[in-house]
Amino acid sequence: KAGVTQTPRYLIKTRGQQVTLSCSPISGHRSVSWYQQTPGQGLQFLFEYFSETQRNKGNFPGRFSGRQFSNSRSEMNVSTLELGDSALYLCASSLVTGASMNTEAFFGQGTRLTVV
Amino acid sequence: GESVGLHLPTLSVQEGDNSIINCAYSNSASDYFIWYKQESGKGPQFIIDIRSNMDKRQGQRVTVLLNKTVKHLSLQIAATQPGDSAVYFCAEKVGGSYIPTFGRGTSLIVHP
Repeated sequence: KAGVTQTPRYLIKTRGQQVTLSCSPISGHRSVSWYQQTPGQGLQFLFEYFSETQRNKGNFPGRFSGRQFSNSRSEMNVSTLELGDSALYLCASSLVTGASMNTEAFFGQGTRLTVV
Repeated sequence: GESVGLHLPTLSVQEGDNSIINCAYSNSASDYFIWYKQESGKGPQFIIDIRSNMDKRQGQRVTVLLNKTVKHLSLQIAATQPGDSAVYFCAEKVGGSYIPTFGRGTSLIVHP
């Protein structure tokens, strides 16, 4: 069974540009979450999508957005990049449903974004 | 790889020793807890979980202990190996929430 796949693995962008990151969840998983990981802040929750709808949202500015497609693949977009957006962006998928909320999340290897 | 270890507490052990990684969680309403391991250059990997109606759960070479009275979680790794070197995160989930909250992590260094 294939794991969570994130593309690209590495990105270098310039301040002011925008970027789109992609995540393919484990087959059958409908919940996809995105996290930002930095040395100073640790793992910070961005948002979670379930059945193409944003179900939960973290405390990030509107420059961070996402979407989920009917095949559960998800993308996140960051517009007007700032130096502080440099981080590892992690995607996680899970089988969580209304009947079974407590299941583990499976993470991809992440996309390392560097803003210069 | 990641530089997540720059601001993290570090535990150094000798190969073969037992390791204990501690985590203080914040929300008394949390009812599900997970330990993740993150190796350099990789995403977090699930190790073991425990529900709040339990106080101990064992896996292969790992044991998680939960003390709800003091909101404390620990991960014990038996016979620690160099391959166990990584950053370990605990995560808690409040009942009714789909989203876990992650702790800051502990860097485990195993010396051969």
